[in-house]
Amino acid sequence: GQNIDQPTEMTATEGAIVQINCTYQTSGFNGLFWYQQHAGEAPTFLSYNVLDGLEEKGRFSSFLSRSKGYSYLLLKELQMKDSASYLCAVHYNTDKLIFGTGTRLQVFP
Amino acid sequence: GAVVSQHPSWVICKSGTSVKIECRSLDFQATTMFWYRQFPKQSLMLMATSNEGSKATYEQGVEKDKFLINHASLTLSTLTVTSAHPEDSSFYICSARDLDGIKDGYTFGSGTRLTVV
Repeated sequence: GQNIDQPTEMTATEGAIVQINCTYQTSGFNGLFWYQQHAGEAPTFLSYNVLDGLEEKGRFSSFLSRSKGYSYLLLKELQMKDSASYLCAVHYNTDKLIFGTGTRLQVFP
Repeated sequence: GAVVSQHPSWVICKSGTSVKIECRSLDFQATTMFWYRQFPKQSLMLMATSNEGSKATYEQGVEKDKFLINHASLTLSTLTVTSAHPEDSSFYICSARDLDGIKDGYTFGSGTRLTVV
């Protein structure tokens, strides 16, 4: 199988920083996506990592370590509207996009 | 950017009936489309890969006779849930690959909420 694991739930305070981790099986790895999803809606693209390192895009950054099968999504200056599910998804060489277990983030005032 | 249109957005059907969900790529051609199912508070689970002009490839544990997939053109894939039962109630999402835009190359439909009563 291609287990892609994330913490189930996280909570944080408005204005804080939160890091959401994702671990995956490295065999056949092509790239890793992070998506945001609000309940009842389609996932929204946040980032794509294919090489090791950190990619920064505004308040959101994503990190990848291919050798360790590890990624994280960093959210800075949290806002209430950031309360959502965050999904890590791995693109394997079969062209499939496999989603992780998902992390529900709740931001409190 | 690439747009995928999915219809209907919600449907209620009686047990034993069949429901068809359509997924269209509006401004690009998609030789491959993907169908996912999502139960409440869970992540997206890949059901099958839909290939234009050939049979779909189903993930382990997904009944191909129950979830019929047809990908007759480069812009349309359909998922038919046959003889639906209440346990089939779920959120179904399709995705298409726009090969010109790898960074956000997987474009998702808006999803279909199926309720079987």
